[in-house]
Amino acid sequence: KNEVEQSPQNLTAQEGEFITINCSYSVGISALHWLQQHPGGGIVSLFMLSSGKKKHGRLIATINIQEKHSSLHITASHPRDSAVYICAVLQGAQKLVFGQGTRLTINP
Amino acid sequence: DTGVSQDPRHKITKRGQNVTFRCDPISEHNRLYWYRQTLGQGPEFLTYFQNEAQLEKSRLLSDRFSAERPKGSFSTLEIQRTEQGDSAMYLCASSHRGGDGYTFGSGTRLTVV
Repeated sequence: KNEVEQSPQNLTAQEGEFITINCSYSVGISALHWLQQHPGGGIVSLFMLSSGKKKHGRLIATINIQEKHSSLHITASHPRDSAVYICAVLQGAQKLVFGQGTRLTINP
Repeated sequence: DTGVSQDPRHKITKRGQNVTFRCDPISEHNRLYWYRQTLGQGPEFLTYFQNEAQLEKSRLLSDRFSAERPKGSFSTLEIQRTEQGDSAMYLCASSHRGGDGYTFGSGTRLTVV
């Protein structure tokens, strides 16, 4: 079993839909990152969370430390949101342990 | 400072050749990380530097792999006697102490033929 599990692995939705991607982890962490990766490989950090909730534009990330679970929500989804979304936990001396990613496709 | 820079973006090499990649982190970041990502998988940790000291190495980093950060600024990752299984995206990231500002480079895509 991976230390960081994401669901779903693939998600296709229509433009405008509310999107939720889930992340569960089984190890102690100091923080959790949500990352976005577009074709071609570049990774962008969307959020770093250690508790509660953060919002940036149409993106919302929440974390429940007791339940070892985090969610990434996208409101009013748009085709440009299509990407791979990766959950990664910060462990030990600041190395990241990654989930396998969720491939999101938003159709117009 | 425009972020973490990696060079080259793409590298195609023949099996058995040596390759070297370079990473220039954000200048005020004292921590630098190397990760490897194979197709369809999330990145995996390879090694980590705090300033010039290499503090942790994954068991994924075989004897053919070596990383350096000689002056605590840029870092190099060398792979000797490349194998087809080394084909992957090699990602570099840097951060402040405490993990703030964790920033990734665009990666170097290695193809071993």
